[in-house]
Amino acid sequence: GAGVSQSPSNKVTEKGKDVELRCDPISGHTALYWYRQSLGQGLEFLIYFQGNSAPDKSGLPSDRFSAERTGGSVSTLTIQRTQQEDSAVYLCASSPNPNSGTQYFGPGTRLLVL
Amino acid sequence: QKEVEQNSGPLSVPEGAIASLNCTYSDRVSQSFFWYRQYSGKSPELIMSIYSNGDKEDGRFTAQLNKASQYVSLLIRDSQPSDSATYLCAVNTGANSKLTFGKGITLSVRP
Repeated sequence: GAGVSQSPSNKVTEKGKDVELRCDPISGHTALYWYRQSLGQGLEFLIYFQGNSAPDKSGLPSDRFSAERTGGSVSTLTIQRTQQEDSAVYLCASSPNPNSGTQYFGPGTRLLVL
Repeated sequence: QKEVEQNSGPLSVPEGAIASLNCTYSDRVSQSFFWYRQYSGKSPELIMSIYSNGDKEDGRFTAQLNKASQYVSLLIRDSQPSDSATYLCAVNTGANSKLTFGKGITLSVRP
């Protein structure tokens, strides 16, 4: 079946602009996660959704970052007033059972802030 | 601060050899453990999960877990050049099921 999809695959923006990144999880997966991977760094957790609610937002690095999920499916990660340090690959993952910890990743969005 | 540590690498092995990848974690309440493979420019791909002490085998891959020592490892038998990638260890404490990842180790299999 279809895996996790993300769009756009690449985004180049100017410092100070807002960007929206989209994630479409595997159908039926109730749990959705956003991670960030910077050059030379490990994957950094950003936010977790169970259904449409976000019980864990602890990884969002600043109030410029926000995310929402609608219909228990698609999620959007928004970065306002982008900074150069926001440049990274943003990865979305979904899971059929959050208690298992098994997560399946999308292809990511590579964000470059000039 | 919950941490997951992996050997810094890189690790280079000849084709056909056994590659041994190690990982330690700091949070004793961790419940499940994963190995992801990430090819350059690609997203992580789940290759093994392990939940209880002991060994779990899947084809050429064996995951080993020792909760008392807070240690998890991945063995790759009969290594192939196609195994060349970065391997990420991930740990789930069960709280919201977010994964804490190690920085990864890059494996190179020489033909």
